[in-house]
Amino acid sequence: KNEVEQSPQNLTAQEGEFITINCSYSVGISALHWLQQHPGGGIVSLFMLSSGKKKHGRLIATINIQEKHSSLHITASHPRDSAVYICAVKDSGGGADGLTFGKGTHLIIQP
Amino acid sequence: DTGVSQNPRHKITKRGQNVTFRCDPISEHNRLYWYRQTLGQGPEFLTYFQNEAQLEKSRLLSDRFSAERPKGSFSTLEIQRTEQGDSAMYLCASSLGNYRGRDNQPQHFGDGTRLSIL
Repeated sequence: KNEVEQSPQNLTAQEGEFITINCSYSVGISALHWLQQHPGGGIVSLFMLSSGKKKHGRLIATINIQEKHSSLHITASHPRDSAVYICAVKDSGGGADGLTFGKGTHLIIQP
Repeated sequence: DTGVSQNPRHKITKRGQNVTFRCDPISEHNRLYWYRQTLGQGPEFLTYFQNEAQLEKSRLLSDRFSAERPKGSFSTLEIQRTEQGDSAMYLCASSLGNYRGRDNQPQHFGDGTRLSIL
């Protein structure tokens, strides 16, 4: 079973700061997801990646398959970016087709 | 595309009662997933359907839990004889895929059903 670790667990930053959230996992994967969860529960998929780097607006996600590590970056952070960011992986070795999730990083961006 | 819809949004019930949740996936999505999320934790996988077939069940899914997707469209998750530990957010997600994860497609999540057991 894959173990997914995220750091930091909590992050408070000022508006405009560059934000980095890290995710590491223990066994091989076929895909890694970055998700955003707002208070009330709704989850939005930000990225799905299996190699390299993806960019969408102010968000950038990178993955290093050899090191089993991914990062989510937010440039020019804004208070509306405040949310819980969750890393989730899909194992490559068969078994459950569902995702294994990290515990999430609670991000607060102060004006 | 109206997104993944879950009902009800909130459910409060007494311990020992049965509850049923419904998930309506995005219409063309053949895969449907149920997850459970407790406070301060990430979601945990419960079960997965490819069309109407339930292909995977987590060990978290005790005998009191049953999920169905009778016509390969909407799904229901029933919990019998609810316990305090069942209090959680129950999330449904759907995706479009071919066969057992050979291709990766993003999962689209509903807003969840929050269950509170008194």
